[in-house]
Amino acid sequence: DSGVTQTPKHLITATGQRVTLRCSPRSGDLSVYWYQQSLDQGLQFLIQYYNGEERAKGNILERFSAQQFPDLHSELNLSSLELGDSALYFCASSVGFGKNIQYFGAGTRLSVL
Amino acid sequence: GNSVTQMEGPVTLSEEAFLTINCTYTATGYPSLFWYVQYPGEGLQLLLKATKADDKGSNKGFEATYRKETTSFHLEKGSVQVSDSAVYFCALSDTDDYKLSFGAGTTVTVRA
Repeated sequence: DSGVTQTPKHLITATGQRVTLRCSPRSGDLSVYWYQQSLDQGLQFLIQYYNGEERAKGNILERFSAQQFPDLHSELNLSSLELGDSALYFCASSVGFGKNIQYFGAGTRLSVL
Repeated sequence: GNSVTQMEGPVTLSEEAFLTINCTYTATGYPSLFWYVQYPGEGLQLLLKATKADDKGSNKGFEATYRKETTSFHLEKGSVQVSDSAVYFCALSDTDDYKLSFGAGTTVTVRA
């Protein structure tokens, strides 16, 4: 158990809908990262927050947004969903950033029908 | 930009065989290198890491050495078990860009 908790484990929804994925980092970790794993794109970095502030942005679509709350949990919001958004979404956390190890949650599997 | 290229799979081996998965990288600066493993239906777990040139990471019988001259971080295990069946990802984290950049993953299946 990595100590990173993601909910829900599975999510099935329809095109055009909006969903929220939740991540609770390990106790004491200030950084949260979101990654998307899909068959065609592999594992791709989406966005990072550190202590409530956005720190780095990757290949995140404009339809997607995220935030980190004062209690350090994070949410990834996906809107106007398309079939191609179906993927496994991972959250990871680390103490800080840079050479700190990132610990991954078990992921949320999103299926857009 | 940063990128990681790892050996295409899938790889199928018999128990007690030798495993090697090649990984090469392109990065600016001085990256840290990682191997993560994903068992069926689970998230990614850190297998081993190396933070500077010539460092050797090791864990659970797996080893990888950070080779700056060949920009490589190949994963090896001398005698695999059925329980080593998983997808293995090579990754790097650069000092300027703290995200992890992953290779495509290599699926390893070990037969009894």
